[in-house]
Amino acid sequence: DADVTQTPRNRITKTGKRIMLECSQTKGHDRMYWYRQDPGLGLRLIYYSFDVKDINKGEISDGYSVSRQAQAKFSLSLESAIPNQTALYFCATSLAGNYNEQFFGPGTRLTVL
Amino acid sequence: QQQVKQSPQSLIVQKGGISIINCAYENTAFDYFPWYQQFPGKGPALLIAIRPDVSEKKEGRFTISFNKSAKQFSLHIMDSQPGDSATYFCAASKPGAQKLVFGQGTRLTINP
Repeated sequence: DADVTQTPRNRITKTGKRIMLECSQTKGHDRMYWYRQDPGLGLRLIYYSFDVKDINKGEISDGYSVSRQAQAKFSLSLESAIPNQTALYFCATSLAGNYNEQFFGPGTRLTVL
Repeated sequence: QQQVKQSPQSLIVQKGGISIINCAYENTAFDYFPWYQQFPGKGPALLIAIRPDVSEKKEGRFTISFNKSAKQFSLHIMDSQPGDSATYFCAASKPGAQKLVFGQGTRLTINP
């Protein structure tokens, strides 16, 4: 089955550490997205990418960076993690012609102590 | 600022009842309004969507009602079942934006 996978699924780290969350997809979609989910705040867009050379900031990109290594891979990095980055992180993909239907991975639960 | 405001934050409904989740928006440029469903431990998945040229869309037990003048839309789940227990997100997008804006989410629990 074509799918969106995220690694790791859970991660506990300490303040100041560098963390990378990875996303891979076998759907053949051009577009990839990173969101974070917080209770009471919903899903907020961090970064999105139309293709390997086209990366765009979302509404909450401060403190994060991304890398689109290939059409199928999109990584999210926290250069120096802080406790308020504790959240559930989702990667999503979509076709170029239909960004309204996004396909989400299973999520990574990140805890920053 | 939250471009799409969703309520309630949590909702408990008895089996067989009607679940209603509401969303409001300010930007009249929005022209697509999807609802996503998220089960525990999973990512959200598209459930149903509507464009503002119609006032209602129904798919099985799920109905979106859309009020363009009030800038509100809602999800109705008829004959709610325990398997409908999930978090529901409304969202919106506008032409050319290339992205969705999500509401705050509603955690729905259907009691047997």
